[in-house]
Amino acid sequence: NAGVMQNPRHLVRRRGQEARLRCSPMKGHSHVYWYRQLPEEGLKFMVYLQKENIIDESGMPKERFSAEFPKEGPSILRIQQVVRGDSAAYFCASSPGTDSNQPQHFGDGTRLSIL
Amino acid sequence: SQKIEQNSEALNIQEGKTATLTCNYTNYSPAYLQWYRQDPGRGPVFLLLIRENEKEKRKERLKVTFDTTLKQSLFHITASQPADSATYLCALHATPGRRALTFGSGTRLQVQP
Repeated sequence: NAGVMQNPRHLVRRRGQEARLRCSPMKGHSHVYWYRQLPEEGLKFMVYLQKENIIDESGMPKERFSAEFPKEGPSILRIQQVVRGDSAAYFCASSPGTDSNQPQHFGDGTRLSIL
Repeated sequence: SQKIEQNSEALNIQEGKTATLTCNYTNYSPAYLQWYRQDPGRGPVFLLLIRENEKEKRKERLKVTFDTTLKQSLFHITASQPADSATYLCALHATPGRRALTFGSGTRLQVQP
């Protein structure tokens, strides 16, 4: 399966802990996007990264959230000191990057639950 | 930035009928518009992309129209099947030149056998 891989699929954390969500893009894709989907709401853009660079983080909360896409390895979305409101499904998408109108290919998400 | 409206009410139709879903947007007219399908517990799956200079696009039983005057796209599934039951999302780029997508909240389609 050469699709976008996200892990873990489900993650449970207690308030105050850290959550790390991983995303491996499709083979050949150099652009990664993170979206959040709250229950009964639509997908909301968080951050767009290319290898080693954050291109657009306008949708990411200023505190506690960070993202990276290192030269080697998966993209990581990190949430520090999690709160109940962080409970959501977090989706990663990737695109080849050659053209801005390329569709984005999504993984099946990480469902984060905060106790 | 862009705002998208999709009918939040679920659409229930009988197998074999044509399902028509609506996507309305405000603000600027995008260069192109995308439709995705999302099943429960899964990520969105890309279906079709239509450009502003294309009035209509087809793929098998799917048809998308794009009216930049009305700021509206219609998504049709002909000869619908129970397997078409899912949530369908309309997406546009948040602002011109940005890759971030703005999604509608989706319309849930239920095809009854």
